[in-house]
Amino acid sequence: QVQLQESGPGLVKPSQTLSLTCTVSGGSISSGAHYWSWIRQHPGKGLEWIGYIHYSGNTYYNPSLKSRVTISIDTSKNQFSLELRSVTAADTAVFYCARGEVGYSSGWLDYWGQGTLVTVSS
Amino acid sequence: EIVLTQSPGTLSVSPGERATLSCRASQSISSSYFAWYQQKPGQAPRLLIYGASSRATGIPDRFSGSGSGTDFTLTISRLEPEDFAVYYCQHYGSSPLFTFGPGTKVDIK
Repeated sequence: QVQLQESGPGLVKPSQTLSLTCTVSGGSISSGAHYWSWIRQHPGKGLEWIGYIHYSGNTYYNPSLKSRVTISIDTSKNQFSLELRSVTAADTAVFYCARGEVGYSSGWLDYWGQGTLVTVSS
Repeated sequence: EIVLTQSPGTLSVSPGERATLSCRASQSISSSYFAWYQQKPGQAPRLLIYGASSRATGIPDRFSGSGSGTDFTLTISRLEPEDFAVYYCQHYGSSPLFTFGPGTKVDIK
C-alpha cells in the first residue's frame, strides 16, 4: 500500500519561502508510470493543483504559480519537495502531496497524503 | 482553459436514498481523463472514479460514474452515513493540467 506523508513548518512569515517534503513509502518514487504532485486547498475552499514532477526530473507547474514554485525530487530518499517563494497570507492553505497516474488514457491522483496546514503570518 | 462546473452546490439527501451529482465541462473532454473524488472533513480527497466510469480500488459498487463529452454524473445508489461528504470532479490534460470542479456537498436531509 503506497503511503505519502507531508512534512515541514506549519508557520511561515510573509515574503519568505514555504518548503515542504513528501515522503513516499510502500512504493518507489522512481516508478516511470507515476508523477508526483502537490495540491493545495485554501480554508473552506476547493482544490488547486500546484504542479508535478516525474522521477526523471521533468516538471510541470500551474501557470498561475509557476513564477514562485519549484518542485524537486530525491529518489535516494523516496521524497519529493515543494518550494513556494515570496508567500503572502493568501498562500495559507492545507497542502497535499499525491501520486498521479498519468499517461495515455490516464490522468488522476490515486494516493494522497493526509495534508499539512501551512499558515502564512508574521 | 477548461472550466468544470458542479451542480448542485449542496445536495440534501436522506440515508438510503439515491444521490445524483453533475459535473459539466466548458468544452468537450475525453472521459479517459475524468475522475471523481470524495473528501470528508479534515481528510484528504479520496479517488472514487477514474476514466469517468471505473471504480478505484476498494470503492463500493453503490458508487458509479457515467458521462461523456461535456456532461458527467456521479451516482450514489443508496446513501450510507459515511457517504456524506464533498465530492469533486477533475479533468486532466488542459492547462493547468489538473483542473477540479468547485465541489458538491452531500449532506443529511
